[in-house]
Amino acid sequence: GESVGLHLPTLSVQEGDNSIINCAYSNSASDYFIWYKQESGKGPQFIIDIRSNMDKRQGQRVTVLLNKTVKHLSLQIAATQPGDSAVYFCAENKTTQFYFGTGTSLTVIP
Amino acid sequence: GAVVSQHPSRVICKSGTSVKIECRSLDFQATTMFWYRQFPKQSLMLMATSNEGSKATYEQGVEKDKFLINHASLTLSTLTVTSAHPEDSSFYICSARQTSAYNSPLHFGNGTRLTVT
Repeated sequence: GESVGLHLPTLSVQEGDNSIINCAYSNSASDYFIWYKQESGKGPQFIIDIRSNMDKRQGQRVTVLLNKTVKHLSLQIAATQPGDSAVYFCAENKTTQFYFGTGTSLTVIP
Repeated sequence: GAVVSQHPSRVICKSGTSVKIECRSLDFQATTMFWYRQFPKQSLMLMATSNEGSKATYEQGVEKDKFLINHASLTLSTLTVTSAHPEDSSFYICSARQTSAYNSPLHFGNGTRLTVT
């Protein structure tokens, strides 16, 4: 079956530094990808998405990069803030279903 | 926009009883809603796809008679955990798409923490 995995289960960064969270996906037919942020006890919150016909998309302080050649997705957070501390999931979509990765826990050190 | 509301946020019930969880799309209509289950420090596991006006589609391994789903309107889906047991204790989260396009994001509710004693 399809799987979406993350390279690092935990990541600690200093406040103000940039964060990079990586994700590998296995299904080359997936054509839509999303990054979600989940804070403790809450549902996932949409951060940014990207379609397979793009390789980069920027939002407010966040950038998603898609490398279809190696089936790799990354989320870059600029000037990381304490409020960015959360678990980040990547999700890939093929037809109607979303498959979620295991998550990376980001901790921002003040 | 695209707000999904889930109720209750927490529920404690005794073993053998049933619990109903509501999921509402507040500012859009959703012909399809998705129910997920999440264990501590784990990812989201899709349980079923709720379809307005028709039967839900369950993922392999999910007991449809135990997890009853009803999607009676374009803004409300309910998940009923029947004859709950301690192993059903988990975090249940619903989601919906604002548009019918498959390449559009899922918007999630804030989840329901179910504890079965």
